[in-house]
Amino acid sequence: KNEVEQSPQNLTAQEGEFITINCSYSVGISALHWLQQHPGGGIVSLFMLSSGKKKHGRLIATINIQEKHSSLHITASHPRDSAVYICAVGSNTGNQFYFGTGTSLTVIP
Amino acid sequence: SQTIHQWPATLVQPVGSPLSLECTVEGTSNPNLYWYRQAAGRGLQLLFYSVGIGQISSEVPQNLSASRPQDRQFILSSKKLLLSDSGFYLCAWNQQGFYGYTFGSGTRLTVV
Repeated sequence: KNEVEQSPQNLTAQEGEFITINCSYSVGISALHWLQQHPGGGIVSLFMLSSGKKKHGRLIATINIQEKHSSLHITASHPRDSAVYICAVGSNTGNQFYFGTGTSLTVIP
Repeated sequence: SQTIHQWPATLVQPVGSPLSLECTVEGTSNPNLYWYRQAAGRGLQLLFYSVGIGQISSEVPQNLSASRPQDRQFILSSKKLLLSDSGFYLCAWNQQGFYGYTFGSGTRLTVV
């Protein structure tokens, strides 16, 4: 079992739809990251969370430490949001970092 | 400001050729440095991490090695690439005692 589980694995949405990607983890963490990986492979860090909620433009990330769960929301989705979104957690017991397998999002015009 | 540079972004190499991927960090000192690899259908997995110059810890036995010749430089190498070395390689750093990680943009390696 992976330390970080994401769902769904694949997601197709119509432009303008509200999108939610979920992440559950099983280890104690110091922080959780949401990353965006574009088709060419480059990775961009979207959010780093240790509690609560963060918002950046149309992106919102929330985390519930007690439930070991985080969500990434995209409002008014756009085709340029099409990418793989990866949840990653930093362990609070050492230099280990765990990644989910990613959610492949396709937004159709 | 603190930044991380990783290059090249993409690389196509023949089987049996050597490999050198470089990662450098600016704006900080004595960072923890990490190399991760993303295999097909799997999350990124830790390959090597370093807490100081010349200090390398390996998490997974493989055809690769890492070196840290300078405080803010981390190099991933191979003497002879295998087809199975193809994948996405990501460098990252964090500061000892702090939990935030910063990622490089990654390198897509294709071994042909």
